[in-house]
Amino acid sequence: QVHLQESGPGLVEPSGTLSLTCAVSGVSISSDWWNWVRQPPGKGLEWIGEAFHSGLTNYNPSLKSRVTISVDRSKNQSSLKLTSVNAADTAVYFCARSPGTFRLDHWGQGTPVTVSS
Amino acid sequence: QSALTQPPSASGSPGQSVTISCTGTSSDVGGYDFVSWYQLHPGKAPKLIIYEVTKRPSGVPDRFSGSKSGNTASLTVSGLQSDDDADYYCTSHAGTNNAFVFGTGTKVTVL
Repeated sequence: QVHLQESGPGLVEPSGTLSLTCAVSGVSISSDWWNWVRQPPGKGLEWIGEAFHSGLTNYNPSLKSRVTISVDRSKNQSSLKLTSVNAADTAVYFCARSPGTFRLDHWGQGTPVTVSS
Repeated sequence: QSALTQPPSASGSPGQSVTISCTGTSSDVGGYDFVSWYQLHPGKAPKLIIYEVTKRPSGVPDRFSGSKSGNTASLTVSGLQSDDDADYYCTSHAGTNNAFVFGTGTKVTVL
């Protein structure tokens, strides 16, 4: 059974770097694409980007300059880094798997992150 | 890349049907058969309910169905049940640099 679990600091200071990890169990991370999606309070979902174990990545053009997504095969986890954060980056952050054909078939429950001093 | 347009809300009584639209452009919904739909309950992991416009993952009841015409995709939920009370989002592939573009979301209320 595939299970994804996000973790990381729940509070990040403005202009700092948001760093989250997604622990994957039940499937090897050396397959499929691993995505990050976020939902600001009271707003809709926004795709952040995805990574493949080979190092290939795709990012939302609106966030591309600040985002890095990676896959760590030794730990079977994906990581998200978002730099120069501000209040608009306050959101629940989800990780999700894409096995192909641009669908997200397994998701974590999400982790809330607040950007505030 | 702009978000796909969904109605903010929809509702129906138990047993009735509700249809949600998802309108994009020829660069996303109209250009690819890669439309998916997700169900969100507060505090739970989002759930994939339709992919590739019309396909249902294993375990999703056939009360959920998808379709597409031109730049608009639709999700129909038949035989509404209380557990269908949730937020629904569509997504579409939108080209090389846009693996996923999400819809604005629709709150479905089962009356």
